[in-house]
Amino acid sequence: QVQLLQSGAEVKKPGSSVKVSCKASGGTFGRSAISWVRQAPGQGPQWMGGIIPISGTTDYAEQFQGRVTMTADESTRTAYMELSSLRSEDTAVYYCARESSSRGYSYYFDSWGQGTLVTVS
Amino acid sequence: SYVLTQPPSVSVAPGKTARITCGGNNIETRSVHWYQQKPGQAPVLVIYYDSDRPSGIPERFSGSNSGNTATLTISRVEAGDEADYYCQVWDSSSDHRVFGTGTRVAVL
Repeated sequence: QVQLLQSGAEVKKPGSSVKVSCKASGGTFGRSAISWVRQAPGQGPQWMGGIIPISGTTDYAEQFQGRVTMTADESTRTAYMELSSLRSEDTAVYYCARESSSRGYSYYFDSWGQGTLVTVS
Repeated sequence: SYVLTQPPSVSVAPGKTARITCGGNNIETRSVHWYQQKPGQAPVLVIYYDSDRPSGIPERFSGSNSGNTATLTISRVEAGDEADYYCQVWDSSSDHRVFGTGTRVAVL
């Protein structure tokens, strides 16, 4: 089972950018997509998008198109999520999560990072 | 986009059965996955593909999916089951992942 370790909490000014990292240990890294999910205070999880590290292929949710960039470095087994033009509504805990699809269809998240609190103020 | 609706809260006495629903249009044609999230922690997968259980998840957790409603059932509820529960599907039309609104389970 892969373990995901995320970077620490951030405090950012409105209009600035934040870059969160997610380092994988154990298991495989590369062929399985890494998704980013955020959770605003008192709210449910919201899928932001994902990346397949081995190919760099990304898929972003419409809400974040143009503001989010997801990258991955196979050599360091690390995925990154950068969100720009930050506003107060982006204050949330950001999680990375590994996707699995053991039946070849549908996707679920079987490993999660510990979360990174990003505060925009 | 596809919408998943859950009741905000469910209350259950210890030792009883909790049923958490997840409503979606013709949801039976999709695979539903369920997560448990305790305060200050990341979500944990408890059911995938409607009714499969990851290793380490007690048999007390089970799932079903029929018509417009998927259900997570927790049998013989324990105090440690108190948490928020979220359903999730893959929306094949957009290739996006969608979470339900979440249900807080309170153990009386």
